[in-house]
Amino acid sequence: GIQVEQSPPDLILQEGANSTLRCNFSDSVNNLQWFHQNPWGQLINLFYIPSGTKQNGRLSATTVATERYSLLYISSSQTTDSGVYFCAVDSRGSQGNLIFGKGTKLSVKP
Amino acid sequence: GAGVSQTPSNKVTEKGKYVELRCDPISGHTALYWYRQSLGQGPEFLIYFQGTGAADDSGLPNDRFFAVRPEGSVSTLKIQRTERGDSAVYLCASSPLPLSGVMNTEAFFGQGTRLTVV
Repeated sequence: GIQVEQSPPDLILQEGANSTLRCNFSDSVNNLQWFHQNPWGQLINLFYIPSGTKQNGRLSATTVATERYSLLYISSSQTTDSGVYFCAVDSRGSQGNLIFGKGTKLSVKP
Repeated sequence: GAGVSQTPSNKVTEKGKYVELRCDPISGHTALYWYRQSLGQGPEFLIYFQGTGAADDSGLPNDRFFAVRPEGSVSTLKIQRTERGDSAVYLCASSPLPLSGVMNTEAFFGQGTRLTVV
C-alpha cells in the first residue's frame, strides 16, 4: 500500500518563528489532507490539497503531485500552534480510506 | 449535529469485557470511517462504510472487532473479549462522499473515544 512519510518528527520553535513541515507519499493520490491534532486529541482539518497551493491566514500548503510531496508552512508561529500535524492521503489504488503519516510534533515556546 | 460526535469520550473496562463505541456522523454524510490511534502514532484505518455496508474492513485487527451501521447514519464499533492491547483512542470520521476516486471531498473527525482496558 501507499507509504506516507512526514518530516521532521519533532520540531521546537520560538514564538514568532516560521516553519516548514514535509509529507512524502509513494503513489499517486486523489485526496491529501493536513490535520492539526490539538492537545485534547481533536483532529482539526487544515487543508484539503491533493494539488496546488492554498493559504489560510498564517498557514499555507503546497502539494506537488507529480513529485509526490506536500509542504505545510506555518508563519509567525504561536504557542497555540503546538500539537501534532498529520498528513493523510487516499491513494488512487485504495478503496477510499485515508492513510496517515506518523506526524510532526510541534512545540512552540513563548 | 454540526460535527462528528463520539460517545463515550472515555471508557475504562476490565480485560475480557465487551464494549461498544458510538459514532454519530455529520448529517447527510454517506461515508463513515473508524480509526484507532495508539500513543505517539498516527491514526490507523479500521473499517469504512458506504451507506449501510462495510466497503472495506481490511483494517480490523481480528474477529473480536466488529462494526455496524444499520441505517446508514450512526455506527457502533464493538469489541469483544477486550485485551489490554486494545487500549487506544478510537476515532470516527465522515465524508459527504466516498474519498476514493472523488475529488473535492474531505473527511472530518470526531473527538475520539479513549478506551482503557485494565
